[in-house]
Amino acid sequence: QSALTQPPSVSGAPGQRVTISCTGTSSNIGTHYDVQWYQQLPGTAPKLLIWGNTIRHSGVPDRFSGSRSDTSASLAITDLQADDEADYYCQSYDLSLRALVFGGGTKLTVL
Amino acid sequence: QVQLLESGGGLVEPGGSLRLSCAGSGFSFSDYYISWVRQAPGKGLEWIAYISGSGASLHYADSVEGRFTISRDNAKGSLFLQMSSLRAEDTAVYFCAKGWASHRFGAGSYYPDWGQGTLVTVSS
Repeated sequence: QSALTQPPSVSGAPGQRVTISCTGTSSNIGTHYDVQWYQQLPGTAPKLLIWGNTIRHSGVPDRFSGSRSDTSASLAITDLQADDEADYYCQSYDLSLRALVFGGGTKLTVL
Repeated sequence: QVQLLESGGGLVEPGGSLRLSCAGSGFSFSDYYISWVRQAPGKGLEWIAYISGSGASLHYADSVEGRFTISRDNAKGSLFLQMSSLRAEDTAVYFCAKGWASHRFGAGSYYPDWGQGTLVTVSS
């Protein structure tokens, strides 16, 4: 069981907006450790999308945005496109585990 | 252009050992922390080991502590993961992931650059 909880799957039609949640605890997100988001296309390595909760990595379209509140974070993707179909992971640091932690991942399906 | 190239994966029997390598190029190798992150087949990402740019600071996940050793040779631009007492649950694709500073474990620790991974299969 991951220290960060994500929904296993989300879906949306092209052009729509979807959000992916990442729920943590008082020992990670709730302790104000930053949240990052990664995109993993099928058969490839993860790519950094968002760091520091809200900051887009270089080259990432502004259709992707991150937010954080209390013990949770969210990734929003607007104007959904077919090539957004991928697995998305949140990542933070857990003080109790003394470890970097990832969410279990969310598979985004573009209908 | 930053490049990370893992090698050394393969099939190993339970209880066996394996050494993974990650060759870095296109950046000043000693200036960046690097981690190993693995992904079991069909599963999510799991961080397992961290090393600072100088090699002085090491951290491990509980799942590999005492069995795996991370190290680096900055002169050769290479990162290593020595794995021993391997178990079936260690079967995964192993990625090396480069950070953004010389040392950051905890707050602000994230990974802009990743290699393509090398597959380790532990099976008899």
